[in-house]
Amino acid sequence: AIQLTQSPSSLSASVGDRVSITCRASQGISTALAWYQQKPGKPPKFLIYDASTLEKGVPSTFSGSGSGTDFTLTISSLQPEDFATYYCQQFKSYPITFGQGTRLEIK
Amino acid sequence: QVQLQESGPGLVKASETLSLTCTVSEYSINSPYYWDWIRQPPGKGLEWLGSIYESGSAYYNPSLNSRISMSIDTSANQFSLKLRSVTAADTAVYYCTRREASGGFDYWGQGALVTVSA
Repeated sequence: AIQLTQSPSSLSASVGDRVSITCRASQGISTALAWYQQKPGKPPKFLIYDASTLEKGVPSTFSGSGSGTDFTLTISSLQPEDFATYYCQQFKSYPITFGQGTRLEIK
Repeated sequence: QVQLQESGPGLVKASETLSLTCTVSEYSINSPYYWDWIRQPPGKGLEWLGSIYESGSAYYNPSLNSRISMSIDTSANQFSLKLRSVTAADTAVYYCTRREASGGFDYWGQGALVTVSA
């Protein structure tokens, strides 16, 4: 199975900050990567697919980049509603796997 | 707007079978998408369990050691999960989802907490 490792595991930041979360795959997955945002008690929300394509309705403050084994989710200017846990997910091959999550907290 | 809703017992005894059904609304399940189950133990991350296509072909996570089976009922617009021989480690919120061609999970149910009791 392809393993995904996210860093950092947790992150403290302030409203208006620019933050980046990385996701490293144990083998090359081209751009077969998605990102999700999850808030407590809610299902994950689909943010980005194909490593860099924003899902409809996702604010342009979110962006994704990368290919192969290294990927980044960037939020250019944090808003209060962005504080949540973020997961990456690969669909290059079965079994589909997720990163362990990055918790983004208010400083 | 596609809607998914999980249903089934919230409490299952250890060694028994966990059974959940996902009812899809406002969209036909008889379409070129995969329908998946994902779970999340309390306070932990996401684990993909398996996928089923409208044809009935399925892919399962090998980590479940053949305890899993999925089925699809296109006439009822539902798909189902069975997980046999459950233990406390199977206690989790179980989500049903739609997976689009790009491979991402674009629609999710609200989740069903299933607790395995001794």
